[in-house]
Amino acid sequence: DGGITQSPKYLFRKEGQNVTLSCEQNLNHDAMYWYRQDPGQGLRLIYYSQIVNDFQKGDIAEGYSVSREKKESFPLTVTSAQKNPTAFYLCASSIWGGSTDTQYFGPGTRLTVL
Amino acid sequence: RKEVEQDPGPFNVPEGATVAFNCTYSNSASQSFFWYRQDCRKEPKLLMSVYSSGNEDGRFTAQLNRASQYISLLIRDSKLSDSATYLCVVKADSNYQLIWGAGTKLIIKP
Repeated sequence: DGGITQSPKYLFRKEGQNVTLSCEQNLNHDAMYWYRQDPGQGLRLIYYSQIVNDFQKGDIAEGYSVSREKKESFPLTVTSAQKNPTAFYLCASSIWGGSTDTQYFGPGTRLTVL
Repeated sequence: RKEVEQDPGPFNVPEGATVAFNCTYSNSASQSFFWYRQDCRKEPKLLMSVYSSGNEDGRFTAQLNRASQYISLLIRDSKLSDSATYLCVVKADSNYQLIWGAGTKLIIKP
């Protein structure tokens, strides 16, 4: 089955620790995205990538980093510089990132900072 | 003013009823519009794209009103399984970003 996988589903982190969230897709999509969702708010874009070895900051990139070494993979690192990292993190992909492109989402990772 | 605004609800609706909700957007250059559905603690899933002429998919009808800058979603003959949060999404052609509304929560009651 084609799709997007994210792991882990739940993640607990101590303050001051970096943590990396995994996102893998086998849809052969060029574009991949990371969003953050907080209660009562819309999804906010953290980073996106339209091609391997290239990515752009979204609206809330501070305290986050990404890499895109392979087309299938787009891991997100939440660094200790992110002041309020507890949230629901969603990875998405789309065919090429165009204006009519549909984004497909992974099941998400819930990160809690203790 | 938020770029995309939705009434958070919840809309409590009896099963079988018709329900409609709107979403307003601030950027008049917006070109693409979508409705996504999100179940509790799950990922969003595309419900339907919204075309200029309006479009229908079974019990769901989406409309776009460019003059007043809003899109609407109408659900007829509502089912218990329609209970979810409905997210309005807008994209301007000038970039690749989607702008997401915070969602409207719908609860269908038996």
